Amino acid sequence: KAGVTQTPRYLIKTRGQQVTLSCSPISGHRSVSWYQQTPGQGLQFLFEYFSETQRNKGNFPGRFSGRQFSNSRSEMNVSTLELGDSALYLCASSGPDGNTEAFFGQGTRLTVV
Amino acid sequence: AQSVTQPDIHITVSEGASLELRCNYSYGATPYLFWYVQSPGQGLQLLLKYFSGDTLVQGIKGFEAEFKRSQSSFNLRKPSVHWSDAAEYFCAQGGSTLGRLYFGRGTQLTVWP
Repeated sequence: KAGVTQTPRYLIKTRGQQVTLSCSPISGHRSVSWYQQTPGQGLQFLFEYFSETQRNKGNFPGRFSGRQFSNSRSEMNVSTLELGDSALYLCASSGPDGNTEAFFGQGTRLTVV
Repeated sequence: AQSVTQPDIHITVSEGASLELRCNYSYGATPYLFWYVQSPGQGLQLLLKYFSGDTLVQGIKGFEAEFKRSQSSFNLRKPSVHWSDAAEYFCAQGGSTLGRLYFGRGTQLTVWP
């Protein structure tokens, strides 16, 4: 069974640009959640999608958005990038009800210059 | 607010020595508890989980954890540490909000040869 796949693995963007990250969950999983990881703040929850609906949202500005498609694949978008958005972005998928263990992808390392 | 505390930021042990990483959770209802491990630049790998039942749970790579409701703790243990166990370990709790995990700040484990 394939794991959670995140693309791309690495990104370098310039301040003010926007970026889209992609996450393909484990087959059959309907919940996809996103986390931002930085050395200073640790793992912070961005949002979670279940069956194409955002169920939960963390405390991030509106520049951070996401969506989920009918095949459960998810994308997150960050607009007007700031230097502080440099981080490892992790995606996780969970089973049918979204409240079982979460399986994480390898992450996308975003560097904003 | 729900929170997870890992009191030890960094632990150093010698190879072959026993290990215990501490974790305390704050949410009192049925806690869904997890331990994850992360190697540098990688995603999170699930070591073990506790949902209910036997309070001593076994995980992968020879790790185990014990749930103690009276102490709100879920400590991770390993009888004999290998050099390959050097990584960062995260304790996490789910259950209060579907699809969301609350993470501790992590414990960095260094293993001396």
